[in-house]
Amino acid sequence: QVQLVQSGSELKKPGASVKVSCKTSGYTFSSYAMNWLRQAPGQGLEWMGWINTNTRNPSYAQGFTGRFVFSLDTSVSTAYLQITSLKAEDTAVYYCARRMAAAGTWWFDPWGQGTLVTVSS
Amino acid sequence: SYVLTQPPSVSVAPGQTARITCGGNNIGSKSVHWYQQKPGQAPVVVVYDDSDRPSGIPERFSGSNSGNTATLTISRVEAGDEADYYCQVWASSSDHPIFGGGTKLTVL
Repeated sequence: QVQLVQSGSELKKPGASVKVSCKTSGYTFSSYAMNWLRQAPGQGLEWMGWINTNTRNPSYAQGFTGRFVFSLDTSVSTAYLQITSLKAEDTAVYYCARRMAAAGTWWFDPWGQGTLVTVSS
Repeated sequence: SYVLTQPPSVSVAPGQTARITCGGNNIGSKSVHWYQQKPGQAPVVVVYDDSDRPSGIPERFSGSNSGNTATLTISRVEAGDEADYYCQVWASSSDHPIFGGGTKLTVL
């Protein structure tokens, strides 16, 4: 079955960097775009952007440029999210999600289990 | 920018029908997707493209979309349906998804 398995929780100090992995299985990695979403504690879902798994071209949503980097290792069907210069407000659960498409619309299925990144001194 | 409005909470007794709405300007012209998120878990799509159900999702979950309101209907509600529910559309003009604020379903 299709699975997205993310790396474990991280506790980082302000100013540090973190790299979250999203290992996929059960489907052809290059056939679907990979998206990243964030959920701050007690808040809703926020889309961060996506990466084209064919061209490796990333696209970042407003508010997620500069410190956020999406990358791939196609040899192991894995996507990565790196965040640099971490701030307390980056504390959130980060999700990877496969993007599904049909007739001009897109949705996310499935999602990784989420990675909690806590930024605290 | 396009805004999706959901009620913060909906309460229903077991066995009854829950209806969770998602309001947006002419949302009937868009495709709406619904996610269920149980505490501590990742979201799971329960309805996509207005009214289609992924395999494994019970028939008790259904969706409709017309005018300015899309609705997720959960029939014969069970305690295990207690969760946050989010609606989502794709903003074609800006090529990004838009989520509603979420609705907490409480089973009394």
